[in-house]
Amino acid sequence: NAGVTQTPKFRILKIGQSMTLQCAQDMNHNYMYWYRQDPGMGLKLIYYSVGAGITDKGEVPNGYNVSRSTTEDFPLRLELAAPSQTSVYFCASSVTPLNSPLHFGNGTRLTVT
Amino acid sequence: AQTVTQSQPEMSVQEAETVTLSCTYDTSESDYYLFWYKQPPSRQMILVIRQEAYKQQNATENRFSVNFQKAAKSFSLKISDSQLGDAAMYFCAYRSLGETSGSRLTFGEGTQLTVNP
Repeated sequence: NAGVTQTPKFRILKIGQSMTLQCAQDMNHNYMYWYRQDPGMGLKLIYYSVGAGITDKGEVPNGYNVSRSTTEDFPLRLELAAPSQTSVYFCASSVTPLNSPLHFGNGTRLTVT
Repeated sequence: AQTVTQSQPEMSVQEAETVTLSCTYDTSESDYYLFWYKQPPSRQMILVIRQEAYKQQNATENRFSVNFQKAAKSFSLKISDSQLGDAAMYFCAYRSLGETSGSRLTFGEGTQLTVNP
């Protein structure tokens, strides 16, 4: 069981470039989330999805977009990268019942210079 | 919106001793879930323990236990017989059951735990 797989592990972008962070899970989870973690801080929710075709904004959605065309995949798109988007990005998934924990990927460290 | 506060940015403990990490939260919901996650330097997020708000009994998992005080909105983590491998950042998290929030997890800012040999 692969769980939640994030690619790439590391990436350096120049200001104004775009990229897609990939996230895939093989556990047939309905709920999927994207969080960012700034150095020494907690995780903040960027976007979430409760099922294929359904996405919604979290606390810090500006500068990002998502799509959920299948249950398995939940890519995060960064358009016009800015230094403020330098962070570690985590994808997570969950199944009901809701006392189930979130399963996290190993994160993508993104640096924008 | 719910908020989670961890008032101790850093804590340290001697190996084999006991340490308690604090967490408080703010919510108007009556039913929810609470979690503690551990993040070692590998940055992997590892579930330590969970608590359902409707359960009065405090959760325990081996050397880890919680003190859940629903009225006070407090959810502290006690680590007994601390081991070097317990050194990590610990996050308290609140899970809403509300459909409008996507049942998201809201995290505190974390407590960095150091275990001294």
